[in-house]
Amino acid sequence: DTEVTQTPKHLVMGMTNKKSLKCEQHMGHRAMYWYKQKAKKPPELMFVYSYEKLSINESVPSRFSPECPNSSLLNLHLHALQPEDSALYLCASSPDRGLNTEAFFGQGTRLTVV
Amino acid sequence: EDKVVQSPLSLVVHEGDTVTLNCSYEVTNFRSLLWYKQEKKAPTFLFMLTSSGIEKKSGRLSSILDKKELFSILNITATQTGDSAIYLCAVRYPINTGTASKLTFGTGTRLQVTL
Repeated sequence: DTEVTQTPKHLVMGMTNKKSLKCEQHMGHRAMYWYKQKAKKPPELMFVYSYEKLSINESVPSRFSPECPNSSLLNLHLHALQPEDSALYLCASSPDRGLNTEAFFGQGTRLTVV
Repeated sequence: EDKVVQSPLSLVVHEGDTVTLNCSYEVTNFRSLLWYKQEKKAPTFLFMLTSSGIEKKSGRLSSILDKKELFSILNITATQTGDSAIYLCAVRYPINTGTASKLTFGTGTRLQVTL
């Protein structure tokens, strides 16, 4: 089983809303990632969690707030987003700190900010 | 600055053709290179390469890494319309000792296979 599950699949939110994206994996992976992908662009790294600790934050604006409640779950809390934040948000996981391991992606959440 | 560059950016071929996609990289402390296929949403894992000169093969797809020249190629033989997708390569490398690694993607190659 190499499944990473993301919910919701689609989300439309206003600029004053607060919403959360969820990601779940049951492969025992200890590294989890959030990526943002705009149309016709490659995925861009936002955050990396390693053993439930935030290890990398790629200078992401504070209106994006990640959370890793346990080793299987990764959330991305959204607040006061801008229309330019509309994108496909992808979650990925890999077995450990992941220097020589595969990374598997979820189906993504397509976010539209209106 | 670390970078991953793919070429060509896009490619249109006829069914049955063989294609070669390129990925070159400049990163500090390279650890591995991964290839993905992306159709509508999630990138689907294809290969992970860590050692030079060892070909990875899966059906009509194969890939090889050259760590001296800092590039990898992905070959697809006897292409089919179902191979139409964006092919992404990504390079994994650590940032600091004791932290998780980054996985940085190239620009992607958009492949279209026509009948």
